[in-house]
Amino acid sequence: QVQLQESGPGLVKPSETLSLTCTVSGGSMSGNYWSWVRQPPGKGLEWIGYIYYIGSTSYNPSLKSRVTISLDSSKNQFSLKLTSVTAADTAVYYCAKYYCSGGACYGLDYWGQGTLVTVSS
Amino acid sequence: QSALTQPASVSGSPGQSITISCTGTSSDIGAYNSVSWYQQHPGKAPKLMIYGVSSRPSGVSDRFSGSKSGNTASLTISGLQAEDEADYHCNSYIGSGTWLFGGGTKLTVL
Repeated sequence: QVQLQESGPGLVKPSETLSLTCTVSGGSMSGNYWSWVRQPPGKGLEWIGYIYYIGSTSYNPSLKSRVTISLDSSKNQFSLKLTSVTAADTAVYYCAKYYCSGGACYGLDYWGQGTLVTVSS
Repeated sequence: QSALTQPASVSGSPGQSITISCTGTSSDIGAYNSVSWYQQHPGKAPKLMIYGVSSRPSGVSDRFSGSKSGNTASLTISGLQAEDEADYHCNSYIGSGTWLFGGGTKLTVL
């Protein structure tokens, strides 16, 4: 049973960089796609991006200029960096794993519990 | 790109069936069979209920079913139960390695 756990600061100042890490347990990162999703308070989910186990990435075009997702398979972790944050980046941030088969991905089958990041001075 | 379109809220009585729609375009929902649905209870992480338009993960009740017609995907819950009250989110692959969520639908069991 794969388990994911987000970690990182719960408070970030405006214009600074938000950094979160997702630790994967109960399974290997190899062969899988790993994603970040966020949810502003009281709002819907927003896809941030994903990283494939070999390091290739894809990002939400609306965030692409500020987002970097990286992976450290030796630690079974992947990370999110979001630069130049504003209050609009305040959200619960989730890490998740894609279910993929036959060369295509079909949904996010395992999720972390989420971590609230507040952007405020 | 704007979020996929979902109704803000739907409601039904116990035992009834409800359907939640998720409308996109011919470039997203209409083009790919990678539509998924998530159930989210307050303060909890989303849970995968349907993947690949109509497949159910192991452990998900067969009261939940998914379908797609043209540019609209649908989640149907039959035999509504009190514990089905939650927010439901659709998600679709939209090409070029990117994905898009709907705005979410609040289901109220009367």
